Amino acid sequence: EAGVAQSPRYKIIEKRQSVAFWCNPISGHATLYWYQQILGQGPKLLIQFQNNGVVDDSQLPKDRFSAERLKGVDSTLKIQPAKLEDSAVYLCASSNGQGTFYEQYFGPGTRLTVT
Amino acid sequence: KQEVTQIPAALSVPEGENLVLNCSFTDSAIYNLQWFRQDPGKGLTSLLLIQSSQREQTSGRLNASLDKSSGRSTLYIAASQPGDSATYLCAVEGGSEKLVFGKGTKLTVNP
Repeated sequence: EAGVAQSPRYKIIEKRQSVAFWCNPISGHATLYWYQQILGQGPKLLIQFQNNGVVDDSQLPKDRFSAERLKGVDSTLKIQPAKLEDSAVYLCASSNGQGTFYEQYFGPGTRLTVT
Repeated sequence: KQEVTQIPAALSVPEGENLVLNCSFTDSAIYNLQWFRQDPGKGLTSLLLIQSSQREQTSGRLNASLDKSSGRSTLYIAASQPGDSATYLCAVEGGSEKLVFGKGTKLTVNP
C-alpha cells in the first residue's frame, strides 16, 4: 500500500511570504495530522482532522497558519505570512481511526527554511 | 501538561554492542507509549507500541519496556548494527489522544 505523500519536499522562502504544503494520506485513512518539527525537537501536533472536520487545532497559530481537508482526503497547510521561527520540518500523518489503538503513519515531511 | 524527556541526547557505540535508550514522562495517565525511528530527510517509522496495560513489547532485536507508575520506558537494542544509526523518538498518548514526543536520542553505530 502506498504511504503518506507530501509535497514539496523542500521550500525556501523569505519572511513575510506565504507558503502551502500538500498531503495525501493513505487511502481510506479517516484521520489526518499535521506536525511541526523544529530542528532538535520532537514533532508537535498542529492540527488533527477526522474526515474533513477539525478535531484538535489547539496548538495551531491561527493568526498565520491555516489548514483544510476538502472531501476528507487531501489536506493543505498554509502559512501566511511566514516568520523566521517557522523554519521546521512539517510532517503529515494519517491513521485508520481516532484513538489509542490506531497507529499513525508518517510522510517524509516538507523542510521549510524561512530567510 | 505532559512532558517527555529522552536521555541521552546522543549516543555513539561500536557495532555489536547492546544498548539502552531511556524515556521518561511526567504524567503517568497514558493510554500508550510508542518508540519511533527517524532517518535524516525521512518521516517517522513506528517501531514498537506498548499499551498502558502492557509491560513490554518485542520486535526482532528491539525490546521496549514500560513502567507507567514511575513514568519510564526503555528501548533495548541488541547486537547493534550500523543500519541502526538514526534518531529514536519516544511518544506518549494520554487523555487528549494526542501524541507528545520527546526530543529524541541520536544513535550512531560505528563499524
